[in-house]
Amino acid sequence: DTAVSQTPKYLVTQMGNDKSIKCEQNLGHDTMYWYKQDSKKFLKIMFSYNNKELIINETVPNRFSPKSPDKAHLNLHINSLELGDSAVYFCASSQGPPGGQPQHFGDGTRLSIL
Amino acid sequence: QKEVEQNSGPLSVPEGAIASLNCTYSDRGSQSFFWYRQYSGKSPELIMSIYSNGDKEDGRFTAQLNKASQYVSLLIRDSQPSDSATYLCAVKSSGGSNYKLTFGKGTLLTVNP
Repeated sequence: DTAVSQTPKYLVTQMGNDKSIKCEQNLGHDTMYWYKQDSKKFLKIMFSYNNKELIINETVPNRFSPKSPDKAHLNLHINSLELGDSAVYFCASSQGPPGGQPQHFGDGTRLSIL
Repeated sequence: QKEVEQNSGPLSVPEGAIASLNCTYSDRGSQSFFWYRQYSGKSPELIMSIYSNGDKEDGRFTAQLNKASQYVSLLIRDSQPSDSATYLCAVKSSGGSNYKLTFGKGTLLTVNP
């Protein structure tokens, strides 16, 4: 059983398009996260939700909009994709409040903008 | 800006040796510290968590925390080629509603057979 699953695994699209990435966790965790890992492998938090409530919203362009329909799901919608959005996007989850407990990562979504 | 610093490496050790990975952090109030391993093209995988000063051992891995000096390290004993990966140090920021984990840029470890 996959603990944190993301779809799609690969996403290749053209500049200006709108795309969504979905994430689901079956660990019963309260908190979910989106991270971006760039070409230099630097992993940076974008958003965090705790029990469907937005807790962390880092300095991210408002073209990125997360949505958590329930605490087991956290989706990421990206409008007007730009070349700089090319990266690997990881979803993660943890028990309890954000940050204090170990986070479990999904396999990542590799986004390539043409 | 709360920072986590790691030597990017690459750190190269022979098989069977001890690999020592270091991490320093700027937020003196940090309370939770984690080491993740990331193989190329894969997702980060938790190896160790440590919350209090001293050493914590788990198999071949030992995490060491010194809050006064603001550093955390990871020792890998009897290093194996399968340990070759990037090791990410992560620190939970303190204070207010800032509950995020800040990751270092990672240290690339290569274990040579």
